[in-house]
Amino acid sequence: DTGVSQDPRHKITKRGQNVTFRCDPISEHNRLYWYRQTLGQGPEFLTYFQNEAQLEKSRLLSDRFSAERPKGSFSTLEIQRTEQGDSAMYLCASSLEGGTNEKLFFGSGTQLSVL
Amino acid sequence: GEDVEQSLFLSVREGDSSVINCTYTDSSSTYLYWYKQEPGAGLQLLTYIFSNMDMKQDQRLTVLLNKKDKHLSLRIADTQTGDSAIYFCAERIGDYKLSFGAGTTVTVRA
Repeated sequence: DTGVSQDPRHKITKRGQNVTFRCDPISEHNRLYWYRQTLGQGPEFLTYFQNEAQLEKSRLLSDRFSAERPKGSFSTLEIQRTEQGDSAMYLCASSLEGGTNEKLFFGSGTQLSVL
Repeated sequence: GEDVEQSLFLSVREGDSSVINCTYTDSSSTYLYWYKQEPGAGLQLLTYIFSNMDMKQDQRLTVLLNKKDKHLSLRIADTQTGDSAIYFCAERIGDYKLSFGAGTTVTVRA
């Protein structure tokens, strides 16, 4: 169990560019989540996958955001035409469905700065 | 996490106990969690409590749940400098989603 891995740890980009983040969940976990955290706030839910199916998307996720989990393992989050308001920490988490308390384990996050 | 509220700051002397408070709104929440975040890092799950419990103790951590008042607290005994961090309370909404508070920044002074 190597934990949830996210790549890159930091990303600096210019406004208007596209960025893509990757998340590798804990290997046996079938549930995967993306959250966004801005300075001074708690994480906010963005989207949820069960295996390869994206089952919920938050209203926070505009059309410029797309997430995939093609084989039910790793996931990518892409932001097109980035805006300064997209600057935040993007956190990935995973869990195993059906556990007695279903603990979510978080990765270290990708810190995005849009200049 | 507008549905989960926490005090923003707590300063405590090393060796004393810390108590972090949280209120939540969803009476149907099945689980409530405490996470710790150190600077530049992700969230580390500290402990959790099932909604039919009043108290849970785990080494230096004690969680108290008052379901009637929708109040959750985390007590850290013998607080150490390594406990300096941001602590997030979270409630589970439905089957899988977590709603977080804004976090309580705990500063441990010598």
